[in-house]
Parts: sequence; structure tokens; C-alpha cells
Amino acid sequence: GAGVSQTPSNKVTEKGKYVELRCDPISGHTALYWYRQSLGQGPEFLIYFQGTGAADDSGLPNDRFFAVRPEGSVSTLKIQRTERGDSAVYLCASSFSGRANTGELFFGEGSRLTVL
Amino acid sequence: GENVEQHPSTLSVQEGDSAVIKCTYSDSASNYFPWYKQELGKRPQLIIDIRSNVGEKKDQRIAVTLNKTAKHFSLHITETQPEDSAVYFCAAPGGSNYKLTFGKGTLLTVNP
Repeated sequence: GAGVSQTPSNKVTEKGKYVELRCDPISGHTALYWYRQSLGQGPEFLIYFQGTGAADDSGLPNDRFFAVRPEGSVSTLKIQRTERGDSAVYLCASSFSGRANTGELFFGEGSRLTVL
Repeated sequence: GENVEQHPSTLSVQEGDSAVIKCTYSDSASNYFPWYKQELGKRPQLIIDIRSNVGEKKDQRIAVTLNKTAKHFSLHITETQPEDSAVYFCAAPGGSNYKLTFGKGTLLTVNP
């Protein structure tokens, strides 16, 4: 597709369950980012991939969160033992270059996670 | 890390008026300052950006100014239209070169 694709668009789960969120970046973009956006807030950095490796995962809130990008394209954000505080919109973005000061971030529409 | 403060949190203007949104940042290493627009339920999209080697950049009705000494930058929208209604976010990378820190956003409402 022409843009960043994220699935599912909406996910409702129960506290304690496991969740996977998928991101398909723009073809050719080597850099991929996950951000989390809570209601009324700006996107909050979670993790950055350059190719297959996680170059910076300092934004992951705790060890229940994990992300992979095994082939340097599609990425999956995994959340274990979900908590109500995990409810947010999870945004994926990609860019041609990993340098935020040289290129635009192209965001997906986001996956809205609701933990009951 | 970088800290970005954005004001105001909400802004309501009449169609045709100008709107100004201001941001401050903390990390003097930041050298790139983008602005993203997010319509309700949609993805954030870049509308304009400025690099630290210039003080102002303009694109039709939108302009951004940068004061590196004071560590603040502003978005200016002239001749506002109802379709300008959205949440606007400023951002800065700090010294990371890849990680943007976003402000909390400004909800702009343009009344017809």
C-alpha cells in the first residue's frame, strides 16, 4: 500500500490478556517507530528500529512490552498481561532515514487498544 | 532527554483570523522542529518543519519561526479556514537525531 498500515484498528481486551499490534511500513523505509498516544496527549516514543534491530527501546514502559521486526519490514508490538493503563492509541511511523532531523515521519492510523 | 512545552492547549478563532501556537524546548542540541496536524481520529501528518540554520519558513498560509537563543519556536496560520480545525503538535529531537519528543498538542477550532 501507499501508506503505513496498522492492524487491528481497534482492539478490546480484558485485563491480563496478551495483545499483538501489527505495523506494515512504507516500502523502502528502513526506520520504523512505535509511539503511544493517550487521550489529550502528544505521541510518546516507545521504540525505534533501524532495519531489523531495535536501535532504541528506551521508551518501552516495562518488560511487558516488546517489539520485533524480524525481516526489516513488518513490525509487531507485543503486550503481555495487559493492564487498564495500557489503553491508548498505538501509532506506528516509518521514515526513509532514521535521522529525525532529516526526514518526515509517516504515521499509520493507529491501533486503539482498550483494556477492560 | 528533550522536554517540549506547548501553549495554548486550546485555541478558538474566527474564520479569517490568525492563529499562533508556541513551543519551547530544553535540549540545545535540537536542530530540527517539525509541526504535525492531526484531525479527529486521523493520523498525524507533517505540515511544516524548520531546521536550526534558518529563523523563519513559510508555506502559503503557514509559517514557522525559530528562536534558538530562547529555545522556542512558533506556528503561525493566517487567514484561517474551518478545515484548519485540528490538533497541532510541535516536536523536537533533542540530541538523539531519531527520536522526536512531542508537545501535548493544541486543539485549534476555527469558527465559520
